[in-house]
Amino acid sequence: EAQVTQNPRYLITVTGKKLTVTCSQNMNHEYMSWYRQDPGLGLRQIYYSMNVEVTDKGDVPEGYKVSRKEKRNFPLILESPSPNQTSLYFCASSIALGDYEQYFGPGTRLTVT
Amino acid sequence: QKEVEQNSGPLSVPEGAIASLNCTYSDRGSQSFFWYRQYSGKSPELIMSIYSNGDKEDGRFTAQLNKASQYVSLLIRDSQPSDSATYLCAGRSGGGADGLTFGKGTHLIIQP
Repeated sequence: EAQVTQNPRYLITVTGKKLTVTCSQNMNHEYMSWYRQDPGLGLRQIYYSMNVEVTDKGDVPEGYKVSRKEKRNFPLILESPSPNQTSLYFCASSIALGDYEQYFGPGTRLTVT
Repeated sequence: QKEVEQNSGPLSVPEGAIASLNCTYSDRGSQSFFWYRQYSGKSPELIMSIYSNGDKEDGRFTAQLNKASQYVSLLIRDSQPSDSATYLCAGRSGGGADGLTFGKGTHLIIQP
């Protein structure tokens, strides 16, 4: 089944404790992206990657890191999480950058206390 | 700053009626537009895409684009309770490495 998977689905952590949210797609997509979704603010792009080893900042990159060492994986790293990073996070992928459907993962609900 | 604006709702529509969802955008360079449906607690899923001025129909859904007015809409005919969800409008600029800019979404409620 073609899909985007994220782990963990739910995470409660404390301020400053490094964490990684994994994202993997099995569709051989070139383009992958991370979004956060907050009430009243909608979906905002954090980082995106057009291909292996090619990443760039989205609209709200502060406090986040990403890497793209393999085509299928695009982990999101929070080196020192803070409470304002409490949010619902979505990973998405598409065939390439352009007018292609983005397929979203199931989401990761992160709470930082 | 590219912006996509939507009325947050809730928009309440009787079952069987036409639901009309609207979206405006600030970036005249936006080339492509997408409507995503998001059920509560779930991830967004693509409903329609539209790239040219005019109407595009797919089953009960019709997307409308007016680039001169910077306006995009989604019509849902014969609304069903299962259509109750938040609808996200997204725009993409042509060229460069821009991804999608999403509106905040309109919460639609179909009343049985």
